[in-house]
Formats: sequence, C-alpha cells, structure tokens
Amino acid sequence: GQQLNQSPQSMFIQEGEDVSMNCTSSSIFNTWLWYKQDPGEGPVLLIALYKAGELTSNGRLTAQFGITRKDSFLNISASIPSDVGIYFCAGHRVMSTGNQFYFGTGTSLTVIP
Amino acid sequence: GAVVSQHPSWVICKSGTSVKIECRSLDFQATTMFWYRQFPKQSLMLMATSNEGSKATYEQGVEKDKFLINHASLTLSTLTVTSAHPEDSSFYICSARDFRDSEYYGYTFGSGTRLTVV
Repeated sequence: GQQLNQSPQSMFIQEGEDVSMNCTSSSIFNTWLWYKQDPGEGPVLLIALYKAGELTSNGRLTAQFGITRKDSFLNISASIPSDVGIYFCAGHRVMSTGNQFYFGTGTSLTVIP
Repeated sequence: GAVVSQHPSWVICKSGTSVKIECRSLDFQATTMFWYRQFPKQSLMLMATSNEGSKATYEQGVEKDKFLINHASLTLSTLTVTSAHPEDSSFYICSARDFRDSEYYGYTFGSGTRLTVV
C-alpha cells in the first residue's frame, strides 16, 4: 500500500527548542492529518487540514497543507518532555473505489530535559 | 468526542489457530473503517478498507482469505486472522469515522491489539 514519505525519521532535541517535520507524497490528498502515537497505543489526532494552503494551529502545534496538496509540515514550538512520541502524518482522499487513508513513515521525537 | 473501542488489547495464540479482533464505534455510526498493522518502530500499514454494506477493499499484498474483514454493522467491524503464523505477530489497529460529519476526516483510532503467535 501507499506510504507517505516523512522526515526526519528521528529527532533528539533539548527542552524548549522548536521542532519541524514534514511529509510528502507523489499523489494528491484532499485532507492531511497529523497524529501522535505513544507506545502500545493507537494514534491520537493532533491537527486536521482540509484545504490546500491552510495553516492551522493547536496550542504549540502548527501545521500547513501544501499548495500542491502533496505535502504538509508540522511545527512544535517550545518543546516539553511530554512531546516525546512518534508523530505520523496521514493523507485522506475519496476515490472511485472508496475512502483511502495512508500514513507517513513516522518521526520519533525525543525531548531531553 | 468519538470513541473507538478495540478488543482484545492483546492476545497470544498458537500457530494454526484463528483470532478475531473487534473494532466498535461506541458513540457514533461508522460507514467506513480501516484496518492497519504496525511492526515495531514502523509506521501503520493499511491492510484494508471496509464500507458498511459492501466487501472490504484490500491493499496490494494483503491476503483477503487470511485476513477476513467483516463490517457487520455501522458500529462493528471485525478482523479475523485465520491460520495464524508467527510472522502474523504484530500490532493491529482499526480506525473509524462518524458518517454524520461529512466535513470531518479526522478518523478516530482504536487502542490497538497486540497479537503474538507462538
């Protein structure tokens, strides 16, 4: 199945630093979403983006839907220890065969106190 | 908010047996549900998409006869791993969307099922 390319694969940062990660695809998606997953748990939605060019914030998180609809980025400002986890982007679209929903390869974030 | 319950949270089975995993939308109806598998330190790989009232659509490389998916109702989808083998050991996760909210594509995920085949 399709998978979105996400970078970086992992990050080790100091508490208080800003974080940026991005996701690209070879094909267009109508919706981009960002999730965080803790070990042994299912992903939890952070931000959803519905329109190309859209910039949305959720607290210290900011995400943008690329103009081409083939990419998105997520920024985390002033990181804190509880930001540790794996972040996934996801793309959604509706095709003739039905809904499609694919995940990025993930970014593992470690915040050093 | 929408809640998706997945059961069991973990299961250990013998090689050759079948295991059923349930995914329920607790406070909403879901016309579409997805099933994923995730290996350690890897991303979620879509296995299949099920739409209530029709057959599941499987991703390339996923054996439909081995991973039986039944979207039995608007609140329940099941994944049955038939004749399980050790290589089927993985973390299986489902997701669902409230069909009433046509503008909201933020699928809600279950908490996952850790399957270990011995």
